Amino acid sequence: QKEVEQDPGPLSVPEGAIVSLNCTYSNSAFQYFMWYRQYSRKGPELLMYTYSSGNKEDGRFTAQVDKSSKYISLFIRDSQPSDSATYLCAMSGSGTYKYIFGTGTRLKVLA
Amino acid sequence: EAGVAQSPRYKIIEKRQSVAFWCNPISGHATLYWYQQILGQGPKLLIQFQNNGVVDDSQLPKDRFSAERLKGVDSTLKIQPAKLEDSAVYLCASSLGGAINEQFFGPGTRLTVL
Repeated sequence: QKEVEQDPGPLSVPEGAIVSLNCTYSNSAFQYFMWYRQYSRKGPELLMYTYSSGNKEDGRFTAQVDKSSKYISLFIRDSQPSDSATYLCAMSGSGTYKYIFGTGTRLKVLA
Repeated sequence: EAGVAQSPRYKIIEKRQSVAFWCNPISGHATLYWYQQILGQGPKLLIQFQNNGVVDDSQLPKDRFSAERLKGVDSTLKIQPAKLEDSAVYLCASSLGGAINEQFFGPGTRLTVL
């Protein structure tokens, strides 16, 4: 079993839809949970991070962490064609700088 | 603020040849990472430097891959000899540290081994 599992997609949605992206993990030591966005032929860029459990909102993006279920989510409201990219979840434990990435979910928002 | 720079952006070589990639991190970032991202997969950490010392190289195939970070700034990653399965994007990232330790990624070098 991989430490971090993520559905690779692709996921196609119409413009304006609410998008839900998810990852599950097996290592209970993970404390930091990140979402990176990667456009084609570019490096990943950090979208949001959450420490431990709970929700965090930033504009159209909401990150949720449920440590009891070992499940994290990223919601995108009012999705735009410019949101079309691959979304990578990443996790690390407290006291370590090592990130474990999911495989990434490819999202396409249709105009 | 300038981002992480990498070169070359693309490289095509034949198997058994050697290749080197270069990375210049964000100024002041003590920690530097090299990742391998195979098509359809997430980045996998190859090696992590703290200044010019190696912190983690547990997933670096040391029989063919080597990396160095002279003077704690620029870094090079070398593959010798290359295999077909080394075809991937090689990403360099750097970070300042701190609790969240945000990693900033360069654009990557896309390597094709024929």
